[in-house]
Amino acid sequence: QSVLTQPPSASGTPGQRVTMSCSGGSSNIGRNTVNWYQQLPGTAPKLLIYNDNQRPSGVPDRFSGSKSGTSASLAISGLQSEDEADYYCAAWDDSLSGRVLFGGGTKLTVL
Amino acid sequence: EVQLVESGGGMVQPGGSLRLSCAASGFGFGNYWMSWVRQAPGKGPEWVGNIKQDGSEKYYVESVKGRFTISRDNAKNLLYLQVNSLRADDTAVYYCTRGRTTAEHWGQGTLVIVSS
Repeated sequence: QSVLTQPPSASGTPGQRVTMSCSGGSSNIGRNTVNWYQQLPGTAPKLLIYNDNQRPSGVPDRFSGSKSGTSASLAISGLQSEDEADYYCAAWDDSLSGRVLFGGGTKLTVL
Repeated sequence: EVQLVESGGGMVQPGGSLRLSCAASGFGFGNYWMSWVRQAPGKGPEWVGNIKQDGSEKYYVESVKGRFTISRDNAKNLLYLQVNSLRADDTAVYYCTRGRTTAEHWGQGTLVIVSS
């Protein structure tokens, strides 16, 4: 069971804006930055958002991240069919001897 | 272009060992922390551990401490993961990633199956 909690599924129609959440605690999201990864079917994950809200070069500005307290969100505007994928949040966790935690993932379906 | 290519996976019996390799190219390998992340079938990724640029610091997730060892050869641009005392729950695709806590780039992964 992941310490970072994500809803298992989300959906939207082309052109819509969808958001997905990632809930953590004081030892992870509450004090460290959040990254988001996109995993298209059959491929390796890809960094989508880093440091809560920064996009690597090449990632469209349709993707945005935010954080408040111990929760983070990923928003996708102008939804496209190719956005159908699994999305994972991740953050460093200071408990125990430290580790990177991943959420369980949200499967986004474009209807 | 950053490229990370893993190899060395396969099927192994419980208690067995493997050495996974990751060949890096397209960037100054010796200038970056490197990490291993694994993903069990149908599950989310799990961070395994990381190694500092010069190999002087290494960190591991609790579940692999004492069984897995990360090392690197900066002269050859290679990252390694020695996996010993393998258990069924170690079955996963193992990815090499660039970065300390942010996986900036990922390889295509190498599959490790632990089964009798």
